[in-house]
Amino acid sequence: DAGITQSPRHKVTETGTPVTLRCHQTENHRYMYWYRQDPGHGLRLIHYSYGVKDTDKGEVSDGYSVSRSKTEDFLLTLESATSSQTSVYFCAIRLEGTHEQYFGPGTRLTVT
Amino acid sequence: KQEVTQIPAALSVPEGENLVLNCSFTDSAIYNLQWFRQDPGKGLTSLLLIQSSQREQTSGRLNASLDKSSGRSTLYIAASQPGDSATYLCAVRETSGSRLTFGEGTQLTVNP
Repeated sequence: DAGITQSPRHKVTETGTPVTLRCHQTENHRYMYWYRQDPGHGLRLIHYSYGVKDTDKGEVSDGYSVSRSKTEDFLLTLESATSSQTSVYFCAIRLEGTHEQYFGPGTRLTVT
Repeated sequence: KQEVTQIPAALSVPEGENLVLNCSFTDSAIYNLQWFRQDPGKGLTSLLLIQSSQREQTSGRLNASLDKSSGRSTLYIAASQPGDSATYLCAVRETSGSRLTFGEGTQLTVNP
């Protein structure tokens, strides 16, 4: 599992509330990613990071922000959650060299 | 824009059968292709990674091939077992960027 954990694993929140999801890795990988997985859309990239304080947008970044203040943690924030952000969120890391990606166990977020 | 397609969307086979899962992509300028397995409610598990310069990779009963010029990859599973039941996803990494583009997966059921 490349030492990736996500917290919380499940969360139910109300529309308009802020939500922060955490991804933690123990192996000092430089690249980290946030994806969402939805039926009919597959996995889509939200944001990624290529180092501490270095982040960039993916294809579905609207409504999301990220922060990476230290190598091991990559935070995804929904400033004001909407029902369309109900999804399963996956964090991933990328190995140097091979560029193989490994995924965390996921966070199931429900926005009511 | 890269598009990845996996056909069929679902497949049901009897135990012991050899099977092939297909993945096609529209832009042949890829860096590598990765096959994943996803069990219900779980994260993605990396199965095989094929670099653009390679033709195939093998791991146990799994063999993945890559034909860049035709934009296709196949995942061959030999002597299928009920424990192989899962959704199989392929994803391509484009040469120019660091993102993975995913197909929607093939849901495989192996019946005892």
